[in-house]
Amino acid sequence: QGQLVQSGPEVKKPGASVKVSCKASRYTFTSYGISWVRQAPGQGFEWMGWISTYNGDTKYAQKVQGRVTMTTDTSTSIAYMELRSLRSDDTAIYYCARGPPGGYGYPDLWGQGTLVSVSP
Amino acid sequence: DIVMTQSPATLSVSPGERATLSCRASQSLNYNLAWYQQKPGQAPRLLIYGTFTRATGIPARFSGSGSGTEFTLTISSLQSEDSAVYYCQQYNNWPPWTFGQGTKVEIK
Repeated sequence: QGQLVQSGPEVKKPGASVKVSCKASRYTFTSYGISWVRQAPGQGFEWMGWISTYNGDTKYAQKVQGRVTMTTDTSTSIAYMELRSLRSDDTAIYYCARGPPGGYGYPDLWGQGTLVSVSP
Repeated sequence: DIVMTQSPATLSVSPGERATLSCRASQSLNYNLAWYQQKPGQAPRLLIYGTFTRATGIPARFSGSGSGTEFTLTISSLQSEDSAVYYCQQYNNWPPWTFGQGTKVEIK
């Protein structure tokens, strides 16, 4: 069925960068894409972007374009999301989610989430 | 981007009763709608995709319906373990995925 295990919580200062990892297991990593979705405290979900684990193609949300980079390491089945120039409104739980290889479709498996707190 | 609107914000239902959750999209979705359940401190869990289809392992008391811009998640006989926040999500116009703000289901 599959499992996604994310890295632990992070506390960062404004202007810093954070890199969250998402390790996939129990399925063929390159058969699915990985999206990143965040949830600010008490808020709904916000899609941040998608990466093809097959060829590294990416699509990013306009709101974070220029500050975010998504990568994968197929040798270890790990996806990464790096967010730079952090602001207080980037405080959120960040989730990786497995979806179809081409991106179009629904996420059927989510990681447990990584809390990123941005505070002076 | 497609805007998803869920109602009500909170639903209080007695055990064994039916819970009906609504989701409205700002554009037609061609049945490309999913529902998720999220319990406190947990990741979302896929319940329904393609408007109607239950995901693997989801009990039959969960059902989805709708078309165009109006969709419904029904829990036919509410159990105590169904207390959670439920989100709808469209994947018809991607990118991006967009989600509703959620309906919190409470056990009365």
